[in-house]
Amino acid sequence: DAMVIQNPRYQVTQFGKPVTLSCSQTLNHNVMYWYQQKSSQAPKLLFHYYDKDFNNEADTPDNFQSRRPNTSFCFLDIRSPGLGDAAMYLCATSRKIKAGDEKLFFGSGTQLSVL
Amino acid sequence: GENVEQHPSTLSVQEGDSAVIKCTYSDSASNYFPWYKQELGKRPQLIIDIRSNVGEKKDQRIAVTLNKTAKHFSLHITETQPEDSAVYFCAASIMEYGNKLVFGAGTILRVKS
Repeated sequence: DAMVIQNPRYQVTQFGKPVTLSCSQTLNHNVMYWYQQKSSQAPKLLFHYYDKDFNNEADTPDNFQSRRPNTSFCFLDIRSPGLGDAAMYLCATSRKIKAGDEKLFFGSGTQLSVL
Repeated sequence: GENVEQHPSTLSVQEGDSAVIKCTYSDSASNYFPWYKQELGKRPQLIIDIRSNVGEKKDQRIAVTLNKTAKHFSLHITETQPEDSAVYFCAASIMEYGNKLVFGAGTILRVKS
């Protein structure tokens, strides 16, 4: 009964070829996050949506974009993947803080390889 | 912005011993401090968290302590077991409308049987 679902689990793309990673949630959470985790490193926040409001981190490259067409789905688009973009991409969700539950729920991640 | 430092980077303990991992944070406005366990190739799993209005929290073999004045917090695992072997991440955030976690660099914990 996965609550935050990421597809695909593994994605292989070519250098410079656009790729889209998807995330869906059954929790009806308002906030969705995308984290990048490179090998042996900590997860790093790329951006998040608070409802429909998009919030980009200052150091997130322009190569990364995101879409959230509705509450349940969120997409990460990498316009021109480079070798340095190979990483695990983690989607996470949470309620609005005012709801009193701050916990993040992570998906299983998509491992992206760039050839 | 927030910066979280975590020590040690690797920790080896004998089964049954205790393990302690320490983190410091830079932004005094941070008010939420979770700890995650991550096994190879898997998602981070929340094991315990603490808010800034609490000094200590315990859940069976796991405890977290927070010193707001010194801006540091620690994870304590007692009676370690081989299945505790994993990477542990601390994190800090300023909870506003969302909960943007800033993670420490992680600690590889090895429990030797």
